[in-house]
Amino acid sequence: DADVTQTPRNRITKTGKRIMLECSQTKGHDRMYWYRQDPGLGLRLIYYSFDVKDINKGEISDGYSVSRQAQAKFSLSLESAIPNQTALYFCATSDFSGTYEQFFGPGTRLTVL
Amino acid sequence: AQTVTQSQPEMSVQEAETVTLSCTYDTSESDYYLFWYKQPPSRQMILVIRQEAYKQQNATENRFSVNFQKAAKSFSLKISDSQLGDAAMYFCASFNNAGNMLTFGGGTRLMVKP
Repeated sequence: DADVTQTPRNRITKTGKRIMLECSQTKGHDRMYWYRQDPGLGLRLIYYSFDVKDINKGEISDGYSVSRQAQAKFSLSLESAIPNQTALYFCATSDFSGTYEQFFGPGTRLTVL
Repeated sequence: AQTVTQSQPEMSVQEAETVTLSCTYDTSESDYYLFWYKQPPSRQMILVIRQEAYKQQNATENRFSVNFQKAAKSFSLKISDSQLGDAAMYFCASFNNAGNMLTFGGGTRLMVKP
């Protein structure tokens, strides 16, 4: 079974629609992250959370919001999707073991028409 | 703020040969960590190798090794005996405790020719 799962894997939506991407993990990690990947830009951090009550903005948080429903669940919402939010979205987790390795989900391909 | 630069958008290598992917970074922190991630066509992000900045010895994982030049802020990845399964996007990334962020380079697409 995958340690970090994301739903949906692929989504096509229209401009102005609200959409939620969900992430769940069974690794028992406290830290969770949302990134977006664009060609040539690598992955950029949108939001991160160190526990249920700790939410922090990343490099590119405008147009996005998040919810940490439980230690194992971290959702990303686009309140009103726009075409330049078309990208590959990754959820990741890490613990505080000192290695700082992040474990990634399989990604969600989002297309906004 | 950290920046990570990968100056080679694409590289190609002959199967069984050796290839080196370049990465430079910029950070004002003294405590940081460097990573190479592989992203095959399945798009899964897979950790290839990790280097702690305080360690002088270059990290090695089987056919993968790094050349870590701290003063030059350079962190290149060497892949020996390249295999067809090594074809992928490779991302260099840096993490520091102060920023709590993993900063990625733009990636290098590696093609392996049979």
